[in-house]
Amino acid sequence: TAGITQAPTSQILAAGRSMTLRCTQDMRHNAMYWYRQDLGLGLRLIHYSNTAGTTGKGEVPDGYSVSRANTDDFPLTLASAVPSQTSVYFCASSEVSGIGNGELFFGEGSRLTVL
Amino acid sequence: GQNIDQPTEMTATEGAIVQINCTYQTSGFNGLFWYQQHAGEAPTFLSYNVLDGLEEKGRFSSFLSRSKGYSYLLLKELQMKDSASYLCAVGDSNYQLIWGAGTKLIIKP
Repeated sequence: TAGITQAPTSQILAAGRSMTLRCTQDMRHNAMYWYRQDLGLGLRLIHYSNTAGTTGKGEVPDGYSVSRANTDDFPLTLASAVPSQTSVYFCASSEVSGIGNGELFFGEGSRLTVL
Repeated sequence: GQNIDQPTEMTATEGAIVQINCTYQTSGFNGLFWYQQHAGEAPTFLSYNVLDGLEEKGRFSSFLSRSKGYSYLLLKELQMKDSASYLCAVGDSNYQLIWGAGTKLIIKP
């Protein structure tokens, strides 16, 4: 079982360019999340989706947008990248929205460098 | 504000026991979670505590005291493969997870 697939695994991007990080899950989970992980900081929630067709803002949504057209896909778009968006981005899913039993399933991450 | 505190780094010896502490201050409480993250990899779920007390799962145990805003993860019979970061996370009143920065555990032979 693939679980959650993220692409690309790493990318170098010029400031001002746009970029979409792709995330696909095959577990039919209702909820999906995008986090960023920076050295010395905990995972920070960017956006989330409790079910297909709905999205919500997390702790650090500025500069990012998401869509949830179907259950499986949850792309994250940076419209105009800035160096502070250099980070490792993790997509995650859970069977139910909110906390549920707490188990989030994570993708392998996308390392983004903005120069 | 909301805050999760855990030590930045710990070192332990193979075969020994180590306790990783986590203290939290959050708006509401909807469970405390521990995840393991090997370097360069995704976090994976270890445990979930919502009631006070000890939850045991093989070599790993997790303890929660809600009145003290405190949890620990106990790892027994340490193996080299346990070298990883251990992330503490708390569900807040909005049912979102607030994450600590993680504790990097180094196991020495």
